[in-house]
Amino acid sequence: QKEVEQNSGPLSVPEGAIASLNCTYSDRVSQSFFWYRQYSGKSPELIMSIYSNGDKEDGRFTAQLNKASQYVSLLIRDSQPSDSATYLCAAINSGGYNKLIFGAGTRLAVHP
Amino acid sequence: EAGVTQFPSHSVIEKGQTVTLRCDPISGHDNLYWYRRVMGKEIKFLLHFVKESKQDESGMPNNRFLAERTGGTYSTLKVQPAELEDSGVYFCASSQVTEAFFGQGTRLTVV
Repeated sequence: QKEVEQNSGPLSVPEGAIASLNCTYSDRVSQSFFWYRQYSGKSPELIMSIYSNGDKEDGRFTAQLNKASQYVSLLIRDSQPSDSATYLCAAINSGGYNKLIFGAGTRLAVHP
Repeated sequence: EAGVTQFPSHSVIEKGQTVTLRCDPISGHDNLYWYRRVMGKEIKFLLHFVKESKQDESGMPNNRFLAERTGGTYSTLKVQPAELEDSGVYFCASSQVTEAFFGQGTRLTVV
């Protein structure tokens, strides 16, 4: 099993809907997780971090962490075409030093 | 506040040549990381500096890659001699603690 796994998509949702992006992880990562958004040809942009079990909300974004099931998700409410991008799930390696382990990324397409 | 900046944004070199990539982290960030994404693969860790010291270079592919961070400010990543498989996007990131902020990357193409 890879340390961090994501479905590559594309995930297609209509404008205004909730987009749900999922990520599973192995025991080889620590309990710190991050969601990055990357537009084509641009830098990965940090949009959410989550360290504790449960939900964390920031505007239209909600990150969810379930340690028992080893998954992290990102919900985007009221999806907009401008949300169309690749979403990268990342976790800190359990070996320390804050090295990030990335999933392959999920491509989200929000259509009008 | 300026973000992480990387130079150049693109580089095309021939196999066997040398290329040097530069990264300027966010001011005040002691942690500086290099990552690489090759075509179709995940972003992979290369190495980590804390100030001017190499904390972890376990991701460096081989001794053709040399990273430096003189004075704990900007960092350079030199590839010498470049091989075809070195092509990809090289990202730099910096952090104060755990949240890392990325530069726009350098797209390296070795032909």
